[in-house]
Amino acid sequence: DAGVIQSPRHEVTEMGQEVTLRCKPISGHDYLFWYRQTMMRGLELLIYFNNNVPIDDSGMPEDRFSAKMPNASFSTLKIQPSEPRDSAVYFCASSSLETQYFGPGTRLLVL
Amino acid sequence: LAKTTQPISMDSYEGQEVNITCSHNNIATNDYITWYQQFPSQGPRFIIQGYKTKVTNEVASLFIPADRKSSTLSLPRVSLSDTAVYYCLVGDGFSGGYNKLIFGAGTRLAVHP
Repeated sequence: DAGVIQSPRHEVTEMGQEVTLRCKPISGHDYLFWYRQTMMRGLELLIYFNNNVPIDDSGMPEDRFSAKMPNASFSTLKIQPSEPRDSAVYFCASSSLETQYFGPGTRLLVL
Repeated sequence: LAKTTQPISMDSYEGQEVNITCSHNNIATNDYITWYQQFPSQGPRFIIQGYKTKVTNEVASLFIPADRKSSTLSLPRVSLSDTAVYYCLVGDGFSGGYNKLIFGAGTRLAVHP
C-alpha cells in the first residue's frame, strides 16, 4: 500500500484566498483524521471521521475551516478565507483500530 | 483525559540504550499506551503500543508497571537516525474517542556521534 497520500505537499497563498487540502487514506481504514501542527501549539486534532461520517469536529478552529469525506478514499480540508495564522503543517491520518498512520503532511504558508 | 508528562528533551550517544519515561497518573482502565516517533518534516509514525507488563517489537520495548501510572519506552543501541521527537499517548480512541488522545509536546531525543 502507498500509505496515506496528501496533496499538495506545499502551498503558498495570500490572505483571503481559499485553500483546499486533499487526503487519500489507506484502503480499508475506516477512520480518517485531520491534524494541524505548529511550533506554538504542537499537534492538534481538528476533526475525525468514521465510515465517512464526521464524529468530532471540536478541534476545528472556527467556521473558516470545513472538512468533507464524500467517500471512503477521499477527504478534503478547506480553509476559506485563509489567514496568516493558519500557516502550519496539516497532516491527514487514517486507521482501522488504535494505530494511526500519518501522511507526509501539507506545509501551508499564508502570506 | 489521561494527562501525560514526559521529559522535554534527552541526549544520548550512538550505541547506547535510551529510556524515555512517561507519567500518566490518571490512566483509565480501558486506556492503552501508545508511542509515536516523528522525524523533521514527516508525520508521526507508530512505534509500539501496550496495555500492561512488557511489549517488545523489532524497534523498541515498552515497560508498564502493575499500577500503569507510568510507562517507559526503551530504544536499544540508538543510532543517529533515532534522533526524533517521541510522543506518549494514553487513551482508548476506538471506544473513548480519538479527540481524547493528546500528542502533547513529546520528548526531543538527540543522538550524538
